[in-house]
Amino acid sequence: QVQLLESGGGVVQPGRSLTLSCVASGFTFGSYGMHWVRQAPGKGLEWVAVISYDGDNRYYADSVKGRFTISRDDSRKTLYLHMNSLRAEDTAVYSCAKDPGIVGATHFDYWGQGTLVTVSS
Amino acid sequence: SSELTQDPTVSVALGQTVKITCQGDSLRYFYASWYQQKPGQAPVVVLSDKNNRPSGIPDRFSGSSSGSAASLTITGAQAEDEADYYCASRDSSGHYRMFGGGTKLTVL
Repeated sequence: QVQLLESGGGVVQPGRSLTLSCVASGFTFGSYGMHWVRQAPGKGLEWVAVISYDGDNRYYADSVKGRFTISRDDSRKTLYLHMNSLRAEDTAVYSCAKDPGIVGATHFDYWGQGTLVTVSS
Repeated sequence: SSELTQDPTVSVALGQTVKITCQGDSLRYFYASWYQQKPGQAPVVVLSDKNNRPSGIPDRFSGSSSGSAASLTITGAQAEDEADYYCASRDSSGHYRMFGGGTKLTVL
């Protein structure tokens, strides 16, 4: 079965960097686009970024553009989110989600449980 | 437009029918998908594109769309349906994804 396991969260000071990882299993990782989605405490879901199956296309929410970088290592079946210049408003549970690989699809068919990032001095 | 709008709270009597709506200009071009999230849990897709129900989702969940609006209907709401519901779609460029603000459903 499909599993997505995030790691790398923790407490980090404003302005510092952090890298999150998401290890995938149960599907052919290199054939699917992958997303990061976050949820601030008590708030709604916010889409963060997507990377295409081949890594050639990456798109970011305006709130993280220029600060976050999504990447993937298909040999390790791992998705990454490199976060720089972190702000208090980046505090959230970060989850990876699998794209279904259907042209024009809008849904995310599998989600991880998430890893908590707290930005605080 | 790059926004999806949902009513923040909706309530329904046990066993009755409830409709949760999502509005946004991009819904004229792209389907909405719907997610159920219970406290402390990851979201679960209850309706994927074209209002398809993934395996394991009860048939009391259904969807519809018209113009710039999409709806999730629960026919015969159960106590276990009490949760937050989010719609999601693409923006008008198709490259970016977005979520509605979420609707907290209370089953009375």
